Amino acid sequence: GQQLNQSPQSMFIQEGEDVSMNCTSSSIFNTWLWYKQDPGEGPVLLIALYKAGELTSNGRLTAQFGITRKDSFLNISASIPSDVGIYFCAGLPQGSARQLTFGSGTQLTVLP
Amino acid sequence: DSGVTQTPKHLITATGQRVTLRCSPRSGDLSVYWYQQSLDQGLQFLIQYYNGEERAKGNILERFSAQQFPDLHSELNLSSLELGDSALYFCASSVATISGTSGVSTDTQYFGPGTRLTVL
Repeated sequence: GQQLNQSPQSMFIQEGEDVSMNCTSSSIFNTWLWYKQDPGEGPVLLIALYKAGELTSNGRLTAQFGITRKDSFLNISASIPSDVGIYFCAGLPQGSARQLTFGSGTQLTVLP
Repeated sequence: DSGVTQTPKHLITATGQRVTLRCSPRSGDLSVYWYQQSLDQGLQFLIQYYNGEERAKGNILERFSAQQFPDLHSELNLSSLELGDSALYFCASSVATISGTSGVSTDTQYFGPGTRLTVL
């Protein structure tokens, strides 16, 4: 099946720092989504990207749909303690298999 | 709050038993998806229903089945439970409009809070 490589697996940053994470694939994707999941909760949609090259912001979060349609990144600026959680990328691959494929997640820890 | 509801929130049962998980999608969403999330794995797609019909199948075991009812709520049935079935089970919904001849076009999925299943 489709594979998404998400990196880094985990990050420890100081409060106030910026953070960046990304997802890459060997296949073309038509949609990229970024979710955040708190422990024991469901993933919450942060940003949705539908067009190659699209750059979208949601508060301190910015995500981009790569021009090649095989990658996406998420930036968080001026991190705060409540940014702690697991961030997942998800992509909808081109073709007839219209199923979201998820990355393995980035565990973010924000130190005070 | 995503608008997707799932019940129960927690479920503890024994091996060999059968359980039913329930999901109500967001108002207006026609598609429901079921995912399994184990501790050592990410989100694994199980199955999708669109307007009452099965649309896509992922890594769903033969012991598991699902259905979507006329009011669009969905149930995931897990039978002959094993210890390894212990996991978080999420339901997601989307509007999912038909796209040309290629079948259902899924759009952004919104997740429910999940059901934590523990098999003892």
